[in-house]
Amino acid sequence: AQKVTQAQTEISVVEKEDVTLDCVYETRDTTYYLFWYKQPPSGELVFLIRRNSFDEQNEISGRYSWNFQKSTSSFNFTITASQVVDSAVYFCALRGSGGYNKLIFGAGTRLAVHP
Amino acid sequence: EAQVTQNPRYLITVTGKKLTVTCSQNMNHEYMSWYRQDPGLGLRQIYYSMNVEVTDKGDVPEGYKVSRKEKRNFPLILESPSPNQTSLYFCASSLKGGMNTGELFFGEGSRLTVL
Repeated sequence: AQKVTQAQTEISVVEKEDVTLDCVYETRDTTYYLFWYKQPPSGELVFLIRRNSFDEQNEISGRYSWNFQKSTSSFNFTITASQVVDSAVYFCALRGSGGYNKLIFGAGTRLAVHP
Repeated sequence: EAQVTQNPRYLITVTGKKLTVTCSQNMNHEYMSWYRQDPGLGLRQIYYSMNVEVTDKGDVPEGYKVSRKEKRNFPLILESPSPNQTSLYFCASSLKGGMNTGELFFGEGSRLTVL
């Protein structure tokens, strides 16, 4: 069975702090994709990153960075120097190697960044 | 502009009153799906469609119907809504599943309340 666990339900930080959102996944597939989405208070889902299982290089995009470790089945997301606009719910998701495009989502982590 | 459009965005209804949430995409995508989002559960797939006239159940299909008569449209039908179907619903589309594709485009969400 495939599963995504985001153990942190809510995180609260003060602006400019660094924060890491954890994501642990389970799959028996050898080929799979991992995703992060942001859901701001307005409710839409904003795609942040996709990583395939063959690419373990860490990714950095501005203040965002992602650490993918197959050995621990984790795909953690770090925001450096957090800002109030980063306040949102963040979802980690997994797509297996099946022939259709189903995403398995974690429960989400609500991040509150306070001024 | 490439987009997935859902209507209505917000709806309050009463138990047993049939309703339809429409979803339309303008990207000529073969694959479309519906998810519902509930607190603590993340997003779960309700139904999906690989192409016109091809639909199948996701993880939580009970109480829902779908149809795919045209490639661009994938309506979600609640024949007799119940309060446990109060949720935030997302429609998504992509090119047909395969390991070289996989980018899911999400609509803006439809918040449904059943009294």
